[in-house]
Amino acid sequence: QQQVKQSPQSLIVQKGGISIINCAYENTAFDYFPWYQQFPGKGPALLIAIRPDVSEKKEGRFTISFNKSAKQFSLHIMDSQPGDSATYFCAASRKYNFNKFYFGSGTKLNVKP
Amino acid sequence: SQTIHQWPATLVQPVGSPLSLECTVEGTSNPNLYWYRQAAGRGLQLLFYSVGIGQISSEVPQNLSASRPQDRQFILSSKKLLLSDSGFYLCAWSPDRGGYGYTFGSGTRLTVV
Repeated sequence: QQQVKQSPQSLIVQKGGISIINCAYENTAFDYFPWYQQFPGKGPALLIAIRPDVSEKKEGRFTISFNKSAKQFSLHIMDSQPGDSATYFCAASRKYNFNKFYFGSGTKLNVKP
Repeated sequence: SQTIHQWPATLVQPVGSPLSLECTVEGTSNPNLYWYRQAAGRGLQLLFYSVGIGQISSEVPQNLSASRPQDRQFILSSKKLLLSDSGFYLCAWSPDRGGYGYTFGSGTRLTVV
């Protein structure tokens, strides 16, 4: 059973637009929800993360919205730039489950100039 | 600060040859260590994780094995490579307890020919 479901698989956004990527999870014991950004040929890098005690976290142009009751969280990229073109992975983890992460399947974002 | 090193960056190996990929972590002790594989354009598949020296958990049956001979060293091996072993291999680490965070290495591109 897939623990974290991510959509869409790919996304094309015009420069300056808003990119939105959604994830849903099953296990209510998850207590850490990070987003990773991966450029071609590189390892994923932590972009932003949220704990379930808050509904939103913003860092620059990147915002996580978290809906605990719906077991969903999303990444919003405001004023999307061509340099944001990458693959984005959401993930979920339980702190005391050896920090094993359950990753979504990834979203390939292409921001057109 | 903590750093993770993974090598080699690229590798081309013939079918049936052995494999050894190495990952080391600096600046921390008793990290949780992980090996992931990423097929082209696909998501992240957890292969192995380790919570201590000599402690290896396998997530999927396959042609690969992992070992942790030292606290901060994690090795991915195969006795005989298959074509299907081609992919992008990523090592990652996380704190053993009391903290979140999951840091990936730069990856190894393995092509089996």
